[in-house]
Amino acid sequence: DGGITQSPKYLFRKEGQNVTLSCEQNLNHDAMYWYRQDPGQGLRLIYYSQIVNDFQKGDIAEGYSVSREKKESFPLTVTSAQKNPTAFYLCATESRLSTDTQYFGPGTRLTVL
Amino acid sequence: GENVEQHPSTLSVQEGDSAVIKCTYSDSASNYFPWYKQELGKGPQLIIDIRSNVGEKKDQRIAVTLNKTAKHFSLHITETQPEDSAVYFCAAYSGSARQLTFGSGTQLTVLP
Repeated sequence: DGGITQSPKYLFRKEGQNVTLSCEQNLNHDAMYWYRQDPGQGLRLIYYSQIVNDFQKGDIAEGYSVSREKKESFPLTVTSAQKNPTAFYLCATESRLSTDTQYFGPGTRLTVL
Repeated sequence: GENVEQHPSTLSVQEGDSAVIKCTYSDSASNYFPWYKQELGKGPQLIIDIRSNVGEKKDQRIAVTLNKTAKHFSLHITETQPEDSAVYFCAAYSGSARQLTFGSGTQLTVLP
């Protein structure tokens, strides 16, 4: 973190509702990523974006959507089509000058009630 | 695609002892290997990394070694302290895929 903010820190959702998680960065990094973390598991890639107005699916994109209208922002929407959305969601950024080092935000914990 | 395996899943050591965590990767095209430390409820923080043209890198009490031939890399923490207790993740970066693939994590507990 330190330049990457995620909000809210905790989010509760009822089944059937869409929710949007915010990720903002002031590092002037070109690439942004969304990962999902489940207990006892590593991080799995949901979506990533290397430039504005372009994004790619990761390994587990089903039930999620993203947009990249500004360099600083990469919001993630968890739709009602995501069958098991309760997890810890992490946003990361990567500079084109160091095109492999990723820095993470503090995360958002989503709980479906 | 890339597959990263990490061992052990849990590790307990006495304060002052050393800790070693090992990872193997499958894609020979992977060329960058970071290690992250994650404290409870927080995002992972990069603690050290190594590129494929280097065999070892050290930063104070932390070191990473890379064996490209065997496709494995390891994290070494010496003189462990209670504040080293956390989950540690290894990762491998494939330049062709432009993606990081993470290991499943190691819960390190340093006992006082």
